[in-house]
Amino acid sequence: KNEVEQSPQNLTAQEGEFITINCSYSVGISALHWLQQHPGGGIVSLFMLSSGKKKHGRLIATINIQEKHSSLHITASHPRDSAVYICAVRRGRGATNKLIFGTGTLLAVQP
Amino acid sequence: KAGVTQTPRYLIKTRGQQVTLSCSPISGHRSVSWYQQTPGQGLQFLFEYFSETQRNKGNFPGRFSGRQFSNSRSEMNVSTLELGDSALYLCASSSPPRTGEHSPLHFGNGTRLTVT
Repeated sequence: KNEVEQSPQNLTAQEGEFITINCSYSVGISALHWLQQHPGGGIVSLFMLSSGKKKHGRLIATINIQEKHSSLHITASHPRDSAVYICAVRRGRGATNKLIFGTGTLLAVQP
Repeated sequence: KAGVTQTPRYLIKTRGQQVTLSCSPISGHRSVSWYQQTPGQGLQFLFEYFSETQRNKGNFPGRFSGRQFSNSRSEMNVSTLELGDSALYLCASSSPPRTGEHSPLHFGNGTRLTVT
């Protein structure tokens, strides 16, 4: 079993829909990252969380440390949101511990 | 500020050869980490450097090595290339403000290595 699990693996939505991507992990962590990867490879860091909730534009990320779960929400989705979204956790208590990645969620937003 | 720069963008090598990839972090960033991305295994952590010291290493064979220079630029080297080393290699830089604190990662566009 992977230490970081994402769901769903694939998601197709219509423009304007509210989208939720989930990430569950089985290890103790010191931080969780949400990343976005567009075709061609470039990765952008969307959020870094250790507790609570963060919002940036139409994106919201939450984390529940007790339940070992995080969600990424996209409000009013747009075709330009189409990308792979990857959850990554910093294992253990140290800031220098290595990152473990989920397998990603491929999102396609149709106009 | 210029972003993270990786060179070269594309590389084709033959089995048994070695390769060196370069990563220039964002100015002022002292932490550089490397990742391998393949369709089968996804993203995997290779190693992380801070102030020229390797702080962490992933589960890769000794053929994979790296180093960081005093200007924070980093290189990774893969010796005796195998077909399975074909992948997108990404580096990221960050600027941890204090020991034990986290900061966001800034990724380069990657080097796509093909081993034939």
